[in-house]
Amino acid sequence: AQSVTQPDIHITVSEGASLELRCNYSYGATPYLFWYVQSPGQGLQLLLKYFSGDTLVQGIKGFEAEFKRSQSSFNLRKPSVHWSDAAEYFCAVAQGTGGFKTIFGAGTRLFVKA
Amino acid sequence: EAGVVQSPRYKIIEKKQPVAFWCNPISGHNTLYWYLQNLGQGPELLIRYENEEAVDDSQLPKDRFSAERLKGVDSTLKIQPAELGDSAVYLCASSLGQGETEQFFGPGTRLTVL
Repeated sequence: AQSVTQPDIHITVSEGASLELRCNYSYGATPYLFWYVQSPGQGLQLLLKYFSGDTLVQGIKGFEAEFKRSQSSFNLRKPSVHWSDAAEYFCAVAQGTGGFKTIFGAGTRLFVKA
Repeated sequence: EAGVVQSPRYKIIEKKQPVAFWCNPISGHNTLYWYLQNLGQGPELLIRYENEEAVDDSQLPKDRFSAERLKGVDSTLKIQPAELGDSAVYLCASSLGQGETEQFFGPGTRLTVL
């Protein structure tokens, strides 16, 4: 069965510092991979997605993620964090034929300190 | 373009009472999802609709939960009777249709069962 692991429950970074959020997945075939962000009291917003092709994908708000098949990872990065990036981040993997079932990780809460 | 609309945003009820949540997806989106999000966890799929057909309800606790999407547009999720453990956020999401993986989420309904 497919699964998604986000090893870090929470991370604290200083504003302006770089960020990397880790995500590992378990899936037999090439997965569809996603990163979503959730601000308090809000629904999830898609940051970026990977289906195929270039393993480095660019997303919104200056985020990027790199798919590494050999490590079954899809880590999210940002070179310089802003205070407004404080939120919960979810990695997700989708499978399906004729419709998709998405499995979400437990999330990583990002705190940004001034 | 209006996003996914959910109501109510918050609901407090006593255990054993019924409760219903409503979702209006983005116009033109054929696929509708209901997710359960417990505190500190990622969303877990309860049910997925393709138009008015429930194509995946394997995770829906059918003894107390029910859902409908009669005209293939908006949807209602009901719990009867509610239990203390049902306290969570209920998220609705929509996507264009089969083969489209990007989901758009509503803000959710936070349910508290006392």
